[in-house]
This record gives sequence, structure tokens and C-alpha cells, in this order.
Amino acid sequence: EAQVTQNPRYLITVTGKKLTVTCSQNMNHEYMSWYRQDPGLGLRQIYYSMNVEVTDKGDVPEGYKVSRKEKRNFPLILESPSPNQTSLYFCASSSGGFGYTFGSGTRLTVV
Amino acid sequence: SQQGEEDPQALSIQEGENATMNCSYKTSINNLQWYRQNSGRGLVHLILIRSNEREKHSGRLRVTLDTSKKSSSLLITASRAADTASYFCATRADTGRRALTFGSGTRLQVQP
Repeated sequence: EAQVTQNPRYLITVTGKKLTVTCSQNMNHEYMSWYRQDPGLGLRQIYYSMNVEVTDKGDVPEGYKVSRKEKRNFPLILESPSPNQTSLYFCASSSGGFGYTFGSGTRLTVV
Repeated sequence: SQQGEEDPQALSIQEGENATMNCSYKTSINNLQWYRQNSGRGLVHLILIRSNEREKHSGRLRVTLDTSKKSSSLLITASRAADTASYFCATRADTGRRALTFGSGTRLQVQP
């Protein structure tokens, strides 16, 4: 089944403890992206990748890192999470010129 | 930055009625897409309309695009309770960054 898989689905962590949210797609898509969704603010793009080793900042990249070493994987790294990064995170992928396929989301709480 | 702005923010209708949602955007686009999101879940792609298209249909969905007014509308005909969800428009810019920029969404409630 064509899909984008994110893990974990839920995560509670403490301020400053590094974490990684994984994202993997099995559709051989070139484009991958990370979004965060907050009440009243909609979806905001964090980072974007056009292909392996090619990444670009989105609208809210501060406090996040990404890497694209393989086409299928696009992990999101929070080196030192803070409470304002508590949010619902989505990974998405696309082959370009078509719609994005979204993962099921990761609900992150930073205390 | 928010490229698309949906209108209305919330809409409540009865089953069987039509639902119309509007989206306005600011910059020149390559395409515009509509997505549906059930509460707290991932977004599902509904339909994509390219900048050189004016209207597109998919089942009970009809999307129009007016590039001169920088606006789009999504019409859901003969709505069902299962259509209850949030609907987002998203635009891909014509130049520069190719990623999607989402609007704030319309919350649709279809009463059985």
C-alpha cells in the first residue's frame, strides 16, 4: 500500500532532550516536507526536500533540523526541544505536479 | 506565511445540501490543491487544479479557479454526514520554492 509512515504517533518529552521523528515513504517520491499544525495557525511548513541531499527551509525552521540521505526517509530532528514546539507534526511526500500524500501525524508534547 | 485564506471559517449544513468553500491567495501559482482533514488525522488530497484550468470535477467535488481574482472555490454536492471535516486549500507557487503553502481551513459540519 502506498503510504507515508511517521513514528512515533504520540510523544511526550522534556525540555532539552533531543528527539527524532521518523518519516518514510514507499512511493519513490522526490519531494518530501514537514509541517506543524497548531490551533488557529493552520499548517506551517518547517522544512522541505526536493531530492536526496537537497533541503530547504520552510516558514518556521527555527529549532528543527532535517536530513535526506536516502530518497525514502526524511527524519525531523529537534536538538533541544522547547514547550513552544508542542504541536501536531505531519510529514508528506509528492512526485511533483501532483498532490501530497500525508502521514498520520505525530502529536508531540514538550514539558 | 499563509498564502491561502479560506472562507467561511466554519460551515454547518444539512445532509443533502451543497457546501461551497472559497479560497483566496496572494501570489502567482502553478497549481492549487484541496485537502480534507478529519479531526486530528492526516490530510487527504482531494483534487488539484492547474493555473491554466478553470474548472475540474471529481465525483461530487467541483473546483473552480479564477487566476485573475486569485481565488478558488470547492463545491461538494449532495453532502453526507461523512463529509464532516476540515477542508484546506494549498497553493504551489509559480516560481521559487515549490512546496505547498496552506490556508487556515474551513470546518464543515454536515448534520444528518
